[in-house]
Amino acid sequence: KAGVTQTPRYLIKTRGQQVTLSCSPISGHRSVSWYQQTPGQGLQFLFEYFSETQRNKGNFPGRFSGRQFSNSRSEMNVSTLELGDSALYLCASSATRGETQYFGPGTRLLVL
Amino acid sequence: KQEVTQIPAALSVPEGENLVLNCSFTDSAIYNLQWFRQDPGKGLTSLLLIQSSQREQTSGRLNASLDKSSGRSTLYIAASQPGDSATYLCAVYSGGGADGLTFGKGTHLIIQP
Repeated sequence: KAGVTQTPRYLIKTRGQQVTLSCSPISGHRSVSWYQQTPGQGLQFLFEYFSETQRNKGNFPGRFSGRQFSNSRSEMNVSTLELGDSALYLCASSATRGETQYFGPGTRLLVL
Repeated sequence: KQEVTQIPAALSVPEGENLVLNCSFTDSAIYNLQWFRQDPGKGLTSLLLIQSSQREQTSGRLNASLDKSSGRSTLYIAASQPGDSATYLCAVYSGGGADGLTFGKGTHLIIQP
């Protein structure tokens, strides 16, 4: 089976712009979670989707949003980018909630 | 709010040694605990998942234990190899809460050839 894929892998944006990141889970997996990784804060949970519904949301401002499609693919959007949004954004999928999470390679976002 | 701590933050040992990485969490009401490794600039690779009802899990040279009541888990690596060099992350899933997986800051492991 193919693993979790994320596109794009690298992205450079300027402050104030918006960005959309995409995640394709492992075939058959219905749960998708997003995480932000920075050197200072480590890995932080953004949100979790299951069956096209957001189930949980971490402590991030409303500029961070996401959605899940009927084929379980997920996108996350960050509007009005700030310098502090520069990070590695990781997507993880699992067959269902609470099972082993498998991570993608991440999208590295640099905000200038 | 769940907090996860990993000790030590960094570890450097010669090849062939057996070693133990520690993870502690503040809220024992967890659903499961997962250990991951992360290579520089890469995503996370799942190593082991322990359900809250289990005491340990084994995969090859890796053994993870869980003591939920005391809020502790250990990852034991036998006969370490240079290819084991990576950052090891512990994460707990509380289920139903707002935190998803809560991660520790990791242990940066270097195995000297």
